[in-house]
Amino acid sequence: DTEVTQTPKHLVMGMTNKKSLKCEQHMGHRAMYWYKQKAKKPPELMFVYSYEKLSINESVPSRFSPECPNSSLLNLHLHALQPEDSALYLCASSPVIAGGTQYFGPGTRLTVL
Amino acid sequence: KNEVEQSPQNLTAQEEEFITINCSYSVGISALHWLQQHPGGGIVSLFMLSSGKKKHGRLIATINIQEKHSSLHITASHPRDSAVYICAVTPHNTDKLIFGTGTRLQVFP
Repeated sequence: DTEVTQTPKHLVMGMTNKKSLKCEQHMGHRAMYWYKQKAKKPPELMFVYSYEKLSINESVPSRFSPECPNSSLLNLHLHALQPEDSALYLCASSPVIAGGTQYFGPGTRLTVL
Repeated sequence: KNEVEQSPQNLTAQEEEFITINCSYSVGISALHWLQQHPGGGIVSLFMLSSGKKKHGRLIATINIQEKHSSLHITASHPRDSAVYICAVTPHNTDKLIFGTGTRLQVFP
């Protein structure tokens, strides 16, 4: 299984809502990543987890809260988002940090109204 | 100036044409990646290179570490190859990917 899955595929939320994005991989990878991608731009790194511990936070606003409950699962909790947070949110995993190919999920397209 | 530059930004081709996309970078790297993203979709990793050349089907990727340059070639292009191709590098001593701005390829029948 070389797949990274993400749910939901699409999400529409209001600025006062709380929602979560989910990412899962069963490749035994110990590094997992959240990226944000705006239209026609390359992905921007948000967070990196290594062995279930937060390794990198790229100065992301606290309205985005990552969580890694186990080695296969990565969540991104969303609260009080702004319309400019609308984007494609991509999850990726790799065997270890900076260790090889990153496998990307299909993304969650988020719209904040 | 971006640390990873790609050219061209946009590319239009007829089916069966040979296509080349170029990537230049300005930092020391441990690896270079070529990624493919279809419209509205997730990203697929095509190649990871640290030296030489790799081939997968109709795709060939080369890297010249001394010149800090890589190329992605597509032989006998097909409309299903239409996508954005992104070059990304892993600099030394870092956990991050630095992405190029992508090359938007359209192949017409």
